Amino acid sequence: AQTVTQSQPEMSVQEAETVTLSCTYDTSESNYYLFWYKQPPSRQMILVIRQEAYKQQNATENRFSVNFQKAAKSFSLKISDSQLGDTAMYFCAFMNRDDKIIFGKGTRLHILP
Amino acid sequence: DGGITQSPKYLFRKEGQNVTLSCEQNLNHDAMYWYRQDPGQGLRLIYYSQIVNDFQKGDIAEGYSVSREKKESFPLTVTSAQKNPTAFYLCASRRTQGNSYNEQFFGPGTRLTVL
Repeated sequence: AQTVTQSQPEMSVQEAETVTLSCTYDTSESNYYLFWYKQPPSRQMILVIRQEAYKQQNATENRFSVNFQKAAKSFSLKISDSQLGDTAMYFCAFMNRDDKIIFGKGTRLHILP
Repeated sequence: DGGITQSPKYLFRKEGQNVTLSCEQNLNHDAMYWYRQDPGQGLRLIYYSQIVNDFQKGDIAEGYSVSREKKESFPLTVTSAQKNPTAFYLCASRRTQGNSYNEQFFGPGTRLTVL
């Protein structure tokens, strides 16, 4: 069975700093998809970034980028120039060919003024 | 506006009663999902459905039931067999045609409290 592990339950960084959230996963499949979701205090889940496993190039969305290491089964999220609005829970998610999507337990990120 | 609605936002029930949580989407998505969120546990998959009249168990299906009679609706019933039903429940949908890694869109959630 696929599993997703986020080893950092909680993190705090100063505004404008760069922060990296880690995520590892376990699967025997070769083609799959990975996502990072953000859940602010409103609890509305918002997609941050996504990556296809067969693409070697790391995905980037403005201040958000990933470091995808397929052999190591690692999918970390880097937030550059962090802003107060980035304060949220961040979830890493894995999707296989059967449309089943599994989430990690999340990392609570605090951006400090 | 297109989106996913869950109702009600807050739901209270007495222990031993079945309760049904509503999830409706007008995004024309084929796949729909139910997750349970508890503090420190992240999102855990209860059930998912890739097409009308078909659904699969997720990782924590015991004590729950679903139906998918219409494409736009995927109600979740929390039965009295669910030992600890108090939680935040999230519904999501996803377009499965076209781009294969379309993301999930989430509803605003329902907070269920069993007294």
